[in-house]
Amino acid sequence: AQSVTQPDIHITVSEGASLELRCNYSYGATPYLFWYVQSPGQGLQLLLKYFSGDTLVQGIKGFEAEFKRSQSSFNLRKPSVHWSDAAEYFCAVGEPGGTASKLTFGTGTRLQVTL
Amino acid sequence: KAGVTQTPRYLIKTRGQQVTLSCSPISGHRSVSWYQQTPGQGLQFLFEYFSETQRNKGNFPGRFSGRQFSNSRSEMNVSTLELGDSALYLCASSLVGAGEKLFFGSGTQLSVL
Repeated sequence: AQSVTQPDIHITVSEGASLELRCNYSYGATPYLFWYVQSPGQGLQLLLKYFSGDTLVQGIKGFEAEFKRSQSSFNLRKPSVHWSDAAEYFCAVGEPGGTASKLTFGTGTRLQVTL
Repeated sequence: KAGVTQTPRYLIKTRGQQVTLSCSPISGHRSVSWYQQTPGQGLQFLFEYFSETQRNKGNFPGRFSGRQFSNSRSEMNVSTLELGDSALYLCASSLVGAGEKLFFGSGTQLSVL
């Protein structure tokens, strides 16, 4: 069965510092890969997705992610974090060729930003 | 364009009762999926509906059911509520097609006492 691991439960960074959130997946083939963000009391918002092609994916709010097949990883990065980035971040995988509706999510990484 | 709307926002029920949650997708979206979010289990896929038919189903007991209407609005029902059903229930809609992005509502927070 496919699975997603986000090893960091909680990360604290200073505003203006760089950020990298880790995500590893277990799947037979290269799945669809997603990063979602959830602010308190809100639903999830898609930051970016990877299906195929260029392994460096650009998303919204200045985020990017790099797919590394050899490491089964899809880490999320941002060069300079803003206080408004404080939220919970979820990595998710979907079956290639399938809909994006049936996703397997990681347990999430809560990001705290200090001023 | 209005986003995904879920009602009610909060709900308190007691064990053994049943509950119905509602979701109105973004206009033009024909796929609606439901997720359960709990601190212990995280986000888990419940089911997906497309054109009034259940297209995908997660690993939840039969007490969890759903339906979709011809206008794409969806409801999910949980019968014989258990304490463990306390969760945030998220609805998401998407256009048809492989890998289309999900748009999530703010969820219904269900508390079972």
